[in-house]
Amino acid sequence: QKEVEQDPGPLSVPEGAIVSLNCTYSNSAFQYFMWYRQYSRKGPELLMYTYSSGNKEDGRFTAQVDKSSKYISLFIRDSQPSDSATYLCAMSPTGTASKLTFGTGTRLQVTL
Amino acid sequence: EAQVTQNPRYLITVTGKKLTVTCSQNMNHEYMSWYRQDPGLGLRQIYYSMNVEVTDKGDVPEGYKVSRKEKRNFPLILESPSPNQTSLYFCASTRTGQETQYFGPGTRLLVL
Repeated sequence: QKEVEQDPGPLSVPEGAIVSLNCTYSNSAFQYFMWYRQYSRKGPELLMYTYSSGNKEDGRFTAQVDKSSKYISLFIRDSQPSDSATYLCAMSPTGTASKLTFGTGTRLQVTL
Repeated sequence: EAQVTQNPRYLITVTGKKLTVTCSQNMNHEYMSWYRQDPGLGLRQIYYSMNVEVTDKGDVPEGYKVSRKEKRNFPLILESPSPNQTSLYFCASTRTGQETQYFGPGTRLLVL
């Protein structure tokens, strides 16, 4: 069993839809949770960063962490075609200057 | 411009021919890491370095070597490449307290 599980998709939604992306994990030591966005032929770039449990909002993006269920989510409101990318969850017990464990990524396509 | 650079971006080689992929960052980061990205497997860490002359194995170190003689450079060496090392490779860097690892643009390697 992988430490981090993520539905690979692909997920196709119409423009303006609310998108929900999720990861589950098994290692209770994870304290730092990140969502990266990766466009085709590019390196991943950070979208959201959360420490421990709770919610964090940044514009159209909301990250949620439920440590009791070992479940994290990323919500995208009013999705745009420019949101079409692969979304990777990542986690670490000790912060980003250490080993990050990634999910396999969910490919999202937002159609006009 | 703050960035992580990798060279080459694309490489086709043959089994057994030693190669080096270079990685350089201009952000004075202590931490650097190499990942490989494969379909269905996500990003997996190969090696990482906490600082100059300090390196350690990640999840999939077999067949790879690294060195960290200078803070800005972290080359990845394949002494005798094999076809199962065909992959997309990313270098990343960060420092303690930052929310993200900064990723390079990737190196696509094909071993025949």
